[in-house]
Amino acid sequence: EIVLTQSPGTLSLSPGERATLSCRASQSIDSTYLAWYQQKPGQAPRLLIYGTPRRATGIPDRFSASGSGTDFTLTISRLEPEDFAVYYCQQYGSSPWTFGQGAKVEIK
Amino acid sequence: QVQLVQSGAEVKKPGASVKVSCKASGYPFTSFYIHWVRQAPGQGLEWMGVINPGGGATPYAHKFQDRLAITMDTSTSTFYMELSSLRPEDTAVYYCARSPSGGYDYWGQGTLVTVSS
Repeated sequence: EIVLTQSPGTLSLSPGERATLSCRASQSIDSTYLAWYQQKPGQAPRLLIYGTPRRATGIPDRFSASGSGTDFTLTISRLEPEDFAVYYCQQYGSSPWTFGQGAKVEIK
Repeated sequence: QVQLVQSGAEVKKPGASVKVSCKASGYPFTSFYIHWVRQAPGQGLEWMGVINPGGGATPYAHKFQDRLAITMDTSTSTFYMELSSLRPEDTAVYYCARSPSGGYDYWGQGTLVTVSS
């Protein structure tokens, strides 16, 4: 099973700042099989990025992703108020599909 | 528009079973895999298993292998997730999610299953 470790666990930032979230895999992943989600309280997750670095439909271009091998990054260039949420990475190249433990972006 | 509509909240006793439904609409039913993911209170996302509406293997996560069944009814475009031998630690929100070429682009609204004596 591929274990995904996200860091930092919590990121405290102000609107307008840049957020950089990391996702490290326990073994190499083809970036084609790495996705990122955003989740707000009481809601289902929302797909942001799939087949890193492709943005899902309707996702603004302030969200971008990169990475290869075992190290992947989600970047939010300028935080908007609606971006404060929990973010998960997921790999779907190897069964079982696995998620990172999540990273919270909170308002400073 | 694409919709995945799940059944309502359930309260079950330890040892019982629960069956959650996920009705798909707005797209060709057999065209996309459906996954089930759960989230315990205050915790992260956990993948449970997947079904291919077009037929073929339906992998489950190893930890659920003995007590999970994911099925479908093509006549009603509905998917089902049945988890047996419930334990208090199975208390979670259970989601169905559609998988196109990568990631989950549509999710059900979630079904809270509470296991308590």
